[in-house]
Amino acid sequence: GAVVSQHPSRVICKSGTSVKIECRSLDFQATTMFWYRQFPKQSLMLMATSNEGSKATYEQGVEKDKFLINHASLTLSTLTVTSAHPEDSSFYICSASLAGGGPDGTDTQYFGPGTRLTVL
Amino acid sequence: GENVEQHPSTLSVQEGDSAVIKCTYSDSASNYFPWYKQELGKGPQLIIDIRSNVGEKKDQRIAVTLNKTAKHFSLHITETQPEDSAVYFCAASIFFGGGSYIPTFGRGTSLIVHP
Repeated sequence: GAVVSQHPSRVICKSGTSVKIECRSLDFQATTMFWYRQFPKQSLMLMATSNEGSKATYEQGVEKDKFLINHASLTLSTLTVTSAHPEDSSFYICSASLAGGGPDGTDTQYFGPGTRLTVL
Repeated sequence: GENVEQHPSTLSVQEGDSAVIKCTYSDSASNYFPWYKQELGKGPQLIIDIRSNVGEKKDQRIAVTLNKTAKHFSLHITETQPEDSAVYFCAASIFFGGGSYIPTFGRGTSLIVHP
């Protein structure tokens, strides 16, 4: 159980185009979903936190107009990289929070497999 | 905010040996410490976690210890196997109850197990 999928797994696009990445919790309803960015050989950097039906909360330094997040349902969140540029190339990972999935009934985050974005 | 330091950045061991990865955290309010394993080109997978009211937790070949006073926690892998080779991330977070937590990650440890 607790499987999170991402689509696409890999995308290559031209500079100036927009790219949408989907994150789905397949067998549970996620109270909260998170979007991370990871550069090669580095740790995960939290970009934003989203709750179903409300606006995402962005971390400091993350442009909300650049990285549009929509959390339409308890099983789906999307990240749209608008007007992508080469510096946006990265590995984007989402996670979904499973209520009561952790120890002592705490919430636990389960990560998706990631999406490799390359902007030419 | 929370700051998590993780060492070593790279760890090379022979199959069958033990591997230990250590992390320290700065915020004494942190009370939940998950460990993740990330294989190349994949997302992180939760492998074990520990709450601050517990000093040690074990799951088959992996164990985690926590020293709240010193604010450090460690991952121990015994009888390592080549398939244990991956990047391991520690994280520290505050869980208030009734809501989600947001972990602060360490920089990761690349574990290489030689057959």
